[in-house]
Amino acid sequence: KAGVTQTPRYLIKTRGQQVTLSCSPISGHRSVSWYQQTPGQGLQFLFEYFSETQRNKGNFPGRFSGRQFSNSRSEMNVSTLELGDSALYLCASSRLAGAVVTGELFFGEGSRLTVL
Amino acid sequence: GQQVMQIPQYQHVQEGEDFTTYCNSSTTLSNIQWYKQRPGGHPVFLIQLVKSGEVKKQKRLTFQFGEAKKNSSLHITATQTTDVGTYFCAGPANSGGSNYKLTFGKGTLLTVNP
Repeated sequence: KAGVTQTPRYLIKTRGQQVTLSCSPISGHRSVSWYQQTPGQGLQFLFEYFSETQRNKGNFPGRFSGRQFSNSRSEMNVSTLELGDSALYLCASSRLAGAVVTGELFFGEGSRLTVL
Repeated sequence: GQQVMQIPQYQHVQEGEDFTTYCNSSTTLSNIQWYKQRPGGHPVFLIQLVKSGEVKKQKRLTFQFGEAKKNSSLHITATQTTDVGTYFCAGPANSGGSNYKLTFGKGTLLTVNP
């Protein structure tokens, strides 16, 4: 069974640009969540999608957005990039019991973004 | 908001020594999860604890969930070089207990000297 796939794995952008990251969850997983990982702040929740709906959002500015498609694939977008956005962006998919995630998150290998 | 604190931040041991990392939440948790992230890798799920006072073992790893469901620990017996990595605890950030939004501790980086 294929794991969570994230593309691109590495990218370099300059301040003011925007970036789109993609995530394909494990087949059959309908919940996709995104986390930002930095050395200083650790793993921080960005948002989560289920059935194309954003169910919750973390404490990030509006420059961070996302969406989910009908096939459960998800994208996140960061506009007007700042130096502080340099991070590892991790996508995770989850099984559901009903509409509630009760178990583990399966993480992808991440997209490492460097903003110059 | 909810906070999850982990100590120590770093731990260096000689191979064969034991290792323990502690996790404390500012709120009562419906469950707690542990993840391991190897250097350059991504977090990988280790275990989930649900019941008050629960203890689970995976080979040399022992996980405990506190009676008040606000703290947890991971103990590794006789560490090996393959144990190197950062160990994170995480709990649901919302009162409903759903795990789609987890609050992670900052992690404990374990290094092992062979």
